[in-house]
Amino acid sequence: GESVGLHLPTLSVQEGDNSIINCAYSNSASDYFIWYKQESGKGPQFIIDIRSNMDKRQGQRVTVLLNKTVKHLSLQIAATQPGDSAVYFCAENMLAGNQFYFGTGTSLTVIP
Amino acid sequence: AAGVIQSPRHLIKEKRETATLKCYPIPRHDTVYWYQQGPGQDPQFLISFYEKMQSDKGSIPDRFSAQQFSDYHSELNMSSLELGDSALYFCASSRRNEKLFFGSGTQLSVL
Repeated sequence: GESVGLHLPTLSVQEGDNSIINCAYSNSASDYFIWYKQESGKGPQFIIDIRSNMDKRQGQRVTVLLNKTVKHLSLQIAATQPGDSAVYFCAENMLAGNQFYFGTGTSLTVIP
Repeated sequence: AAGVIQSPRHLIKEKRETATLKCYPIPRHDTVYWYQQGPGQDPQFLISFYEKMQSDKGSIPDRFSAQQFSDYHSELNMSSLELGDSALYFCASSRRNEKLFFGSGTQLSVL
């Protein structure tokens, strides 16, 4: 499969601070990316997505940045809350295929 | 809103037995995906179906097979189970080329 990986396996932040989770992908043909949040024992939950024709997309408290030059994706969470504690995965896809590949997750812990 | 429904939620089997996992996608979603997730690992893509036809294949063992039926539900059949098959199995559905929605998963334990 394609290789999608994260730089940091764990991240601890103080409540109220901003969090940044990074992801590197290897397939330059990938053109659709999604960030998922997974809590223990639950299925991945969609957070935000971005297509390759965009560099940035914002949601509620979250922003995804895409740098196609260096094949890098990041998820920024503003004013991190204890409920944000979870494992975060990035997933990549080529629109020509029905297969999303997940990278190694980053475990985010929010310290109250 | 309706979500992806998977059954059973938990399944315990012994080595060399067979198991069948079921998935009911969100209505009007035309694509179904199966993923396997071991403890502390990322979800591994197994197989996908688009409009009831197999679309893409990932790291699915030959002992496993899957199909999608006329009502769009999908089943993952696993034979000759091994200890290493113990994992969370997720089904996801989507409209083609759109974001995936995941079910709650089936926790398979092979003893």
